[in-house]
Amino acid sequence: KQEVTQIPAALSVPEGENLVLNCSFTDSAIYNLQWFRQDPGKGLTSLLLIQSSQREQTSGRLNASLDKSSGRSTLYIAASQPGDSATYLCAEEGSYIPTFGRGTSLIVHP
Amino acid sequence: DGGITQSPKYLFRKEGQNVTLSCEQNLNHDAMYWYRQDPGQGLRLIYYSQIVNDFQKGDIAEGYSVSREKKESFPLTVTSAQKNPTAFYLCASKAPGQPQHFGDGTRLSIL
Repeated sequence: KQEVTQIPAALSVPEGENLVLNCSFTDSAIYNLQWFRQDPGKGLTSLLLIQSSQREQTSGRLNASLDKSSGRSTLYIAASQPGDSATYLCAEEGSYIPTFGRGTSLIVHP
Repeated sequence: DGGITQSPKYLFRKEGQNVTLSCEQNLNHDAMYWYRQDPGQGLRLIYYSQIVNDFQKGDIAEGYSVSREKKESFPLTVTSAQKNPTAFYLCASKAPGQPQHFGDGTRLSIL
């Protein structure tokens, strides 16, 4: 069964830093890899989706990469801002059912 | 605007009572999902449905039931058999090759 692990579990950084959040998965036969953001008490908002044939996706200050051979994806956040404070979750979709990591809780302080 | 609507936002259950959480989507997605989120546990799949009139158990289906009579609707019933129902419940829908869309969740507590 696919397992998804996210490291670190929590991160606190000063504003302006560039960040890397890590996601690893045990089965490289994935269909796609998604990154989500969750604000406290809210649902998940999709940030980026990487198809299995792609290596990366970019949206604004966010860049996500996918390396299927090593079973890893990274989410890069450039020039972090306090508004980036949230929990970030990755999910792989190997069949029809996404499997989620437990998330990285990010705090960006002014 | 297209999206997913979950209601109510907060729900309280008494001992021995069944409660139903509503999930409606107007995205024309075939697939719908119910997740339970507990602190430190991440999202755990309760039930999913890939098409109308069909649904499958997820990892933690015991004590829950669902129906999928319409494409737009996927209600979740938390039965009295679920002994630890206090959690945040999230509904999602999805089209093939596209990201999942989530509702804003329902927080269920025990009275």
